[in-house]
Amino acid sequence: DGGITQSPKYLFRKEGQNVTLSCEQNLNHDAMYWYRQDPGQGLRLIYYSQIVNDFQKGDIAEGYSVSREKKESFPLTVTSAQKNPTAFYLCASSIDRSGNTEAFFGQGTRLTVV
Amino acid sequence: GDSVTQMEGPVTLSEEAFLTINCTYTATGYPSLFWYVQYPGEGLQLLLKATKADDKGSNKGFEATYRKETTSFHLEKGSVQVSDSAVYFCALRRGSSASKIIFGSGTRLSIRP
Repeated sequence: DGGITQSPKYLFRKEGQNVTLSCEQNLNHDAMYWYRQDPGQGLRLIYYSQIVNDFQKGDIAEGYSVSREKKESFPLTVTSAQKNPTAFYLCASSIDRSGNTEAFFGQGTRLTVV
Repeated sequence: GDSVTQMEGPVTLSEEAFLTINCTYTATGYPSLFWYVQYPGEGLQLLLKATKADDKGSNKGFEATYRKETTSFHLEKGSVQVSDSAVYFCALRRGSSASKIIFGSGTRLSIRP
């Protein structure tokens, strides 16, 4: 089945550690996104990528990094510089860079700092 | 900048009641508009969309009409079910070189049996 796969579903991080969240899509989509969702709140854009080897900062990029070396993969690293990383992270993709197409979402990764 | 404003929740209704969740937007040009639904612990699923003025999106009994004159995209359903309990997000995406999708803050809907 085509779709977006995020892993792991749950992730625990110790203070000061970097962790990487995986996002893979087999939909042949150009654009990919990372959002952060805090309890009872909406989605905030961390990074997005319109094409391979290119990405842009979203609204809350500080403390995060990404790469887009392959079309199907857009991993997110939460660095130790991110002071409050506990949240639900959602990856999404869309078929192209135009404005008419919807985004498809993965099932999310819940990150907890212990 | 572009933005989406949704009615604050939570919204609690009885089964078979009529539902309206308000959504208004601010954007230059002619954005596409979307409603997404999120069930507990899951990602977002597209519920419906409209890409130009006066378009009506519909799915699973939900409807929303793209009103450019009032910059609105209100979600409606004539008779809600307990299974409709979820968080609903309104979103927009501009039809330009910009690729960002802007989401509203979400509205939590709870349906009582």
